[in-house]
Amino acid sequence: AQSVTQLGSHVSVSEGALVLLRCNYSSSVPPYLFWYVQYPNQGLQLLLKYTSAATLVKGINGFEAEFKKSETSFHLTKPSAHMSDAAEYFCAARLSNTGNQFYFGTGTSLTVIP
Amino acid sequence: SQTIHQWPATLVQPVGSPLSLECTVEGTSNPNLYWYRQAAGRGLQLLFYSVGIGQISSEVPQNLSASRPQDRQFILSSKKLLLSDSGFYLCAWRLAGGTGELFFGEGSRLTVL
Repeated sequence: AQSVTQLGSHVSVSEGALVLLRCNYSSSVPPYLFWYVQYPNQGLQLLLKYTSAATLVKGINGFEAEFKKSETSFHLTKPSAHMSDAAEYFCAARLSNTGNQFYFGTGTSLTVIP
Repeated sequence: SQTIHQWPATLVQPVGSPLSLECTVEGTSNPNLYWYRQAAGRGLQLLFYSVGIGQISSEVPQNLSASRPQDRQFILSSKKLLLSDSGFYLCAWRLAGGTGELFFGEGSRLTVL
C-alpha cells in the first residue's frame, strides 16, 4: 500500500536559517510527488512537483526538493527561511499507474523565529 | 485560466441538521473532483472523488454523501450532522490523466454544535 510519512510534525527554524522538511514515501514504483503549503484557514497551494523528469525540482518562494529513489525520499528545502514561510506543509504522492488516489502525509507545521 | 470556488466559507450548524457544501470549477472540462476533510491539527482525509457526472467513489463510510449533478459541480451533503463532522472541508480538482496535481479551493469551515 502506498503511504507518505513526514518526519516531524513541528519544525522551528530561525529567520535566515536553512529549512528542511522531510518526506518519505513507500511505493513499489516511483510515484509522482508533490509539496503543498497551507496558510491558516486557506486551501492548499502547490509548491512544487516531481513527475519523473529532473530529480531536483525547483518551486515557488525559493523552495526546492530532491527526489532520491534509493532513499525513497522527497525532502523540501529552502536556504534561508523568511517569516512568511511559517505555515503547514504537506507532502503528497500519487502512483502513476492508478491515477486518482493522492496520498497525503500528516503535515509539518513550520515556525520561523525572528 | 481555471478557478475553483467552494461555499459557504464558514458554517455553524446544530447537531441533526442537514448540510450542503458546494464546489464549482471553471475554465476546464471533465475534471476529476475531490472532497477532503481536515480535522483540527490533522492531515487530509479523502472523503469522495469523482471522475465524471454521477460517478462517485466513497473512501470512508460515514454520515456524508456526495453528488456531481454537472460536469464542474461537486456537492457534499449530509441529512443529519454529527458533532464529529466538524472540520475544514476542502474541494479539489485535477485534469484527468497525465501528471496533474490537485488544485484546492479556499475551504469551508464547518462547526457542528
